[in-house]
Amino acid sequence: DAGVTQSPTHLIKTRGQQVTLRCSPKSGHDTVSWYQQALGQGPQFIFQYYEEEERQRGNFPDRFSGHQFPNYSSELNVNALLLGDSALYLCASSLRQGGNTEAFFGQGTRLTVV
Amino acid sequence: AQSVTQLGSHVSVSEGALVLLRCNYSSSVPPYLFWYVQYPNQGLQLLLKYTTGATLVKGINGFEAEFKKSETSFHLTKPSAHMSDAAEYFCAVSEIKAAGNKLTFGGGTRVLVKP
Repeated sequence: DAGVTQSPTHLIKTRGQQVTLRCSPKSGHDTVSWYQQALGQGPQFIFQYYEEEERQRGNFPDRFSGHQFPNYSSELNVNALLLGDSALYLCASSLRQGGNTEAFFGQGTRLTVV
Repeated sequence: AQSVTQLGSHVSVSEGALVLLRCNYSSSVPPYLFWYVQYPNQGLQLLLKYTTGATLVKGINGFEAEFKKSETSFHLTKPSAHMSDAAEYFCAVSEIKAAGNKLTFGGGTRVLVKP
């Protein structure tokens, strides 16, 4: 059983560019959440998707947007990249019917903005 | 708003010694509490969780944690440290709502195990 898979694993972008990160949830899961983990810090919640809609959002600007597809996979888009967007981006999947009490995390995408 | 405080950003223990990582939380509703471990260049792995029921929770790799409502704490312990326990540990709190849930993490505690 494949767990949560994220692509790409590493990415280098220039300030002002746009980036798309991808996530496939664990088999059977229907909810995807995205987190940003800056170096030396704990992960920060960006947003959560369920039934192709954004259900909850953390304190992130509109430059951060997302999408969930019918097969439950998800994308995170960041526009107008800033140096401060450099971080590890983690995707987590869970099952809404199970109360979302256990989130499984992917390995993350390391984004470097130069 | 929820918050999590982990006391000590770095902890050094000798192999075979007790591991104690402290976590205090604030939440306006009964919390769900979690401990995750992160090895270098990897994602997060769930060690254990408290949702309801027994307040002493046992997890993987010999770790356990106790939910103490009166102290708003969820400290993580392991009786005997192993070299493989060297990693970063995150405490998290979640508020389960109909609209979904999000995890609020502490700043993490990096554990160094000395031979």
